[in-house]
Amino acid sequence: GAGVSQTPSNKVTEKGKYVELRCDPISGHTALYWYRQSLGQGPEFLIYFQGTGAADDSGLPNDRFFAVRPEGSVSTLKIQRTERGDSAVYLCASSLRAKGTGELFFGEGSRLTVL
Amino acid sequence: QKEVEQNSGPLSVPEGAIASLNCTYSDRGSQSFFWYRQYSGKSPELIMSIYSNGDKEDGRFTAQLNKASQYVSLLIRDSQPSDSATYLCAVNIIGTGFQKLVFGTGTRLLVSP
Repeated sequence: GAGVSQTPSNKVTEKGKYVELRCDPISGHTALYWYRQSLGQGPEFLIYFQGTGAADDSGLPNDRFFAVRPEGSVSTLKIQRTERGDSAVYLCASSLRAKGTGELFFGEGSRLTVL
Repeated sequence: QKEVEQNSGPLSVPEGAIASLNCTYSDRGSQSFFWYRQYSGKSPELIMSIYSNGDKEDGRFTAQLNKASQYVSLLIRDSQPSDSATYLCAVNIIGTGFQKLVFGTGTRLLVSP
């Protein structure tokens, strides 16, 4: 596709449920990032993939959060036992390579609301 | 202390004026600095990057970097209502080997016609 695609754009769930958020990066981009943005805040780093492997997952808040990128393209962010504090916009970004100009291309985000 | 600090605003300027947005960072070893623009409900988009001390100009935008003072700024000349958005300052954290950006909270800019 032309840009980073994220689905769903909106997800409302109940506390304790499991959710999956999907990211389809720009074709050919090897680096993929997940960020989380709460209202009135800047994006907060969660995890970075170079190819299929999670090169840095230091931003994942706890073990309820997990992300995969099995074929080095599409990535899925998985959240178990959701809590109200997980409500935020989850942004996916990709870049052509890990080191470069710092131009991360962001998707439009998945807005997660936990009731 | 937050790694990247910005005044949340809003910063209100009249159309045609110069808007000045400021950012400070805590990691003295940081090497790469970026300004992203984010319209309400939209994703951030890169508008400027700067790597060395001094000024960098691109059209109506000028980024300024002072590593000694750990300070980055963005000037927008001839501000237009379409410039109304939140401007995010981002700093690349050194030692990670990749573009691990730390963002400030953003400054909301309002340009009135």
